[in-house]
Amino acid sequence: AQSVTQLDSQVPVFEEAPVELRCNYSSSVSVYLFWYVQYPNQGLQLLLKYLSGSTLVESINGFEAEFNKSQTSFHLRKPSVHISDTAEYFCAVILYNQGGKLIFGQGTELSVKP
Amino acid sequence: GAGVSQSPRYKVAKRGQDVALRCDPISGHVSLFWYQQALGQGPEFLTYFQNEAQLDKSGLPSDRFFAERPEGSVSTLKIQRTQQEDSAVYLCASSLTGDSPLHFGNGTRLTVT
Repeated sequence: AQSVTQLDSQVPVFEEAPVELRCNYSSSVSVYLFWYVQYPNQGLQLLLKYLSGSTLVESINGFEAEFNKSQTSFHLRKPSVHISDTAEYFCAVILYNQGGKLIFGQGTELSVKP
Repeated sequence: GAGVSQSPRYKVAKRGQDVALRCDPISGHVSLFWYQQALGQGPEFLTYFQNEAQLDKSGLPSDRFFAERPEGSVSTLKIQRTQQEDSAVYLCASSLTGDSPLHFGNGTRLTVT
């Protein structure tokens, strides 16, 4: 069975500190990888995605994630977080040729403190 | 352009009542998905449409759950004889094609009392 594991349910961090949110997946077929962010009382928003090509992908607000096939990981990083980054972050996979069905991890709550 | 729209935003139902949740996808999007998100959990897949065809309903938790998309645009998720365990946020998402990134609505928060 395919699954996505987010190793940390909560990550508290101080403003301007670096952060890493961990994600591992298990799949016997090729996957596409995504990070979604969910702000309080809002819907999920796509943060970044890996489909193919360069294993390092970046978002417009300073987040980046690196696809590591050997470790089946897709960790999310940011070198310096802001208060406004406080949100729930979800890692997700789509199985190749499976109609776009996203399989989500349990989520990591990032709490940025001043 | 407009995003995915879901209504109502909040729904309170007494146990045993039927509810209907509506999703208006982005115009022209072929694929439509329904997810259930329990408190503190990641979204769980319920069902998937390509145009009007329901291609995958493997995630529907029981035969009390029913989804339709009769004209390949608006979709309705119906839950019959609601139970307390049905309390969750129900998310709708659409995409241009099956392998395109999903665009999510803000969800409908269902509370069954």
